[in-house]
Amino acid sequence: RKEVEQDPGPFNVPEGATVAFNCTYSNSASQSFFWYRQDCRKEPKLLMSVYSSGNEDGRFTAQLNRASQYISLLIRDSKLSDSATYLCVVTPTSGTYKYIFGTGTRLKVLA
Amino acid sequence: GAGVSQSPRYKVAKRGQDVALRCDPISGHVSLFWYQQALGQGPEFLTYFQNEAQLDKSGLPSDRFFAERPEGSVSTLKIQRTQQEDSAVYLCASSFRPSGGAAVQTQYFGPGTRLLVL
Repeated sequence: RKEVEQDPGPFNVPEGATVAFNCTYSNSASQSFFWYRQDCRKEPKLLMSVYSSGNEDGRFTAQLNRASQYISLLIRDSKLSDSATYLCVVTPTSGTYKYIFGTGTRLKVLA
Repeated sequence: GAGVSQSPRYKVAKRGQDVALRCDPISGHVSLFWYQQALGQGPEFLTYFQNEAQLDKSGLPSDRFFAERPEGSVSTLKIQRTQQEDSAVYLCASSFRPSGGAAVQTQYFGPGTRLLVL
């Protein structure tokens, strides 16, 4: 079993839709959590960190569920420009510099 | 300001050839990381430097892979006797402070070097 698992998609949604992705992790001692966005043939860029209390940044909301070992990303009012791959990142307690990425979930927002 | 830069952006190598990939981190960033991203996969950790010290090389797939950062800024990832399975995008990332412990630093990624081994 992979340490970090994501549904690869693609998720095809119309503009304006709300879409949610989940990411599960296997190490219960994982320390920190992030969502990165990666456009085709580009580098990953930090979208948001995920805090225990949940956090929101505009149309994006991230949640952490430690008991069930998953994090989620909710995108409201999808824009065409949201089309990208969303990578879940987890860091272990023993080496918080070591980003462990999921496979990524592809999102396509359709006009 | 300038972000992380990598060169070359694309590299085609014949099987058995040696290659060297360069990373220029953001100026002043202490920590530097290398990742390998195969097609359709997320990046996988290769190695971590704090200044010139290589503190973790547990992700390097074989002894054909070697990384250095001799002066604590620019880093080079070298792959000897390349194999077809080495074909991937090699990403470099940097962060401002030393990483580890409870302090998690945001990592900023470069555009990557796309390596194709024929």
